[in-house]
Formats: sequence, structure tokens, C-alpha cells
Amino acid sequence: DIVMTQSPDSLAVSLGERATINCKSSQSLFFRSTNKNYLAWYQQKPGQPPKLLIYWASTRESGVPDRFSGSGSGTDFTLTISSLQAEDVAVYYCQQYYSDSCTFGQGTKLEIK
Amino acid sequence: EVQLLESGGGLGQPGGSLRLSCAASGFTFSNYGMSWVRQAPGKGLEWVSGISGSGGTTHYADSVKGRVTISRDNSKNTLFLQMNSLRVEDTAVYYCAKVGTSGTNRFDYWGQGTLVTVSS
Repeated sequence: DIVMTQSPDSLAVSLGERATINCKSSQSLFFRSTNKNYLAWYQQKPGQPPKLLIYWASTRESGVPDRFSGSGSGTDFTLTISSLQAEDVAVYYCQQYYSDSCTFGQGTKLEIK
Repeated sequence: EVQLLESGGGLGQPGGSLRLSCAASGFTFSNYGMSWVRQAPGKGLEWVSGISGSGGTTHYADSVKGRVTISRDNSKNTLFLQMNSLRVEDTAVYYCAKVGTSGTNRFDYWGQGTLVTVSS
């Protein structure tokens, strides 16, 4: 299985400041024939199911605020929140869907400083 | 509006069985793959199993292979997960999730989940 490792495990950021979460995969998620990275980001708030934020590593899902952005390729990826809002407090997960058996990172808990 | 509603969770005995269901609406069910993803209390997300839109292709995580069976009834817009030989470590909230338009396992809609507790 492809192992996904996120860093840090938790993060405290001041309102209005930038938050950055990293995700590293044990093998490349770039598929040459489609020219895409098979990497998604989800947000999960307490008591709620996960919500898809980003797919193909950098494509924002419809309705997701543009302060959320994804970047990276191959094995190293980043989720950036450009200006943290109170409603962004959540746990964030990266997910690889390169293989039929998709796998998630362990999660990064984002809090307000 | 896409809606996914899980049911069938509850208390199961170690070695016992449970069958989870997920009723789907708001999209053409047979056109989309579906998956089950679970989350143990206070833990992260773990993909469990997936099935193609036709039901002809299935995949399982190693942790459940041989003990669970995923299936679907496209005439009733319903997804199932038959869980046998339950273990304490199967205790989790089980979410059904719809595969996105690309057909790959990114999940654009999730249900609210159903809690499975395995305990004697």
C-alpha cells in the first residue's frame, strides 16, 4: 500500500495568517498518461463527515473558498490556507487515489492560536 | 441534491455479523462507483472497500479482506457492506462515499455515517 505521511500532526495559527500542511507519499502519485497527480485534500469538522476540498493536487472543488490552495507533484504536496478564518478549524487529511486501494494521511489538526 | 443515508450500525458481537446499507439519491446511482470508509473513535480515516457503478469490480482493504463483502442494488439505489467475523478493531463510524466524476477514488459526497460497535 502507498503510505501517506502528513506534517505536522497539529498546527496553531493566528486568524488571518497563513496555514501550511504537508503531505508526503511513499511513491509517486503522478500518472504520466494523464499528466495528473492523484492526490486529494479533505476537511473534517467535529461530528461531521469529511468534505472534499482539493483534487488532482491543485483543483479546488466547487464552492470551496479560494483561500484554500493545493500544490506539489510526485511525492510531496502542500495544502495552504492563505488567511485563516475561524471556520477553518478542523482536521485536514490528504488522500492518494493513485491505487485502487486508496489511503489517507493520519490527519493534521488545525487550531486558532 | 446528492444525499447518502447509512443505516444498519449498532452493537455486534465478536465473531458476529452486521449488514450496513447506504441509500443514495440525487444522482444517477448506477453511473458512479461507491466506497465505504471508516473512522475508529478519535482516529483517522481508513478506506474499507469500493465497488464500480455496475457492481462488476470490487476492491477491499487488506484489514477486511475475506471478512466483508461490498455489493449494490442499482434498482434500489442502495449500497451494502456485509461484515462477518467481526473484530473489536472493526469498531468505527462507517461512511459511504460517492466517487467523483473522473471515476477515480476521490470522494465528492459522504453520508453522515453509521456507528458500529463490536463488543462482548
